[in-house]
Amino acid sequence: ETGVTQSPTHLIKTRGQQVTLRCSSQSGHNTVSWYQQALGQGPQFIFQYYREEENGRGNFPPRFSGLQFPNYSSELNVNALELDDSALYLCASSLRQSTDTQYFGPGTRLTVL
Amino acid sequence: GESVGLHLPTLSVQEGDNSIINCAYSNSASDYFIWYKQESGKGPQFIIDIRSNMDKRQGQRVTVLLNKTVKHLSLQIAATQPGDSAVYFCAEVWGNQFYFGTGTSLTVIP
Repeated sequence: ETGVTQSPTHLIKTRGQQVTLRCSSQSGHNTVSWYQQALGQGPQFIFQYYREEENGRGNFPPRFSGLQFPNYSSELNVNALELDDSALYLCASSLRQSTDTQYFGPGTRLTVL
Repeated sequence: GESVGLHLPTLSVQEGDNSIINCAYSNSASDYFIWYKQESGKGPQFIIDIRSNMDKRQGQRVTVLLNKTVKHLSLQIAATQPGDSAVYFCAEVWGNQFYFGTGTSLTVIP
C-alpha cells in the first residue's frame, strides 16, 4: 500500500451536478497530482498542487478545479458534470514537485448518468 | 501534450518465461521515465524508474532499458509469475507533468 487514500470509492451523479473528490497524501509528501483515467486508457494529467498552490495543469476545462490544504490533503471539484466525465479519478502524491516519483491512491470511480 | 505509445496492447507469456514490454516516447526533452503496474480495481503501482542520464537500471526481477537515440523504453520482467498479470504503463516526465501511454495488458499463462 502507498499510504495515499481517496474517498469516496464509488460515486454516481447525474449530468449537470457537481462533485468533490478527496485525497490524503502519503505522510511527508507535499505534492498532489490528480489524473483522470477513462476505461482502457492511461491516466491523463489534470493538475498538480504543491504547498497549496496549483503547480501545473493539463488540458482540462476550468470546471475542473482543486484545492490543497495545509496538511497537504487535496480535493478535486468538477462542476456541470458531463457523461464523458465518467472515469476513474486518481490522486498521486510525491515528496517534491516535478520529477519525483508519484505514488497513487486506489482511485474514485465516478459514473455520470 | 506529448504522446507516449506502446507497441503492443496485449502480451501473453508462459509462467517462468521472461517478458518484454516496449514503449515509444516522442519528447526528447523528457528526462525521467517510470513504469507502473495497474491491477484491476487498483491505482497504478510504481515498479521502476530511470533518469535520462542512464540507459539501464535493474530492480528485483525487473530491468528498464532506455534508448534515447530512438526514444524507446522497455521493461523486462524475469521469470514472469501469475501475479505479474496486469496492465503496464510507461510514463514520461517533462515540466511538472507525467504523460502516460495507453498501457499493455500482460497475461501470464500458468
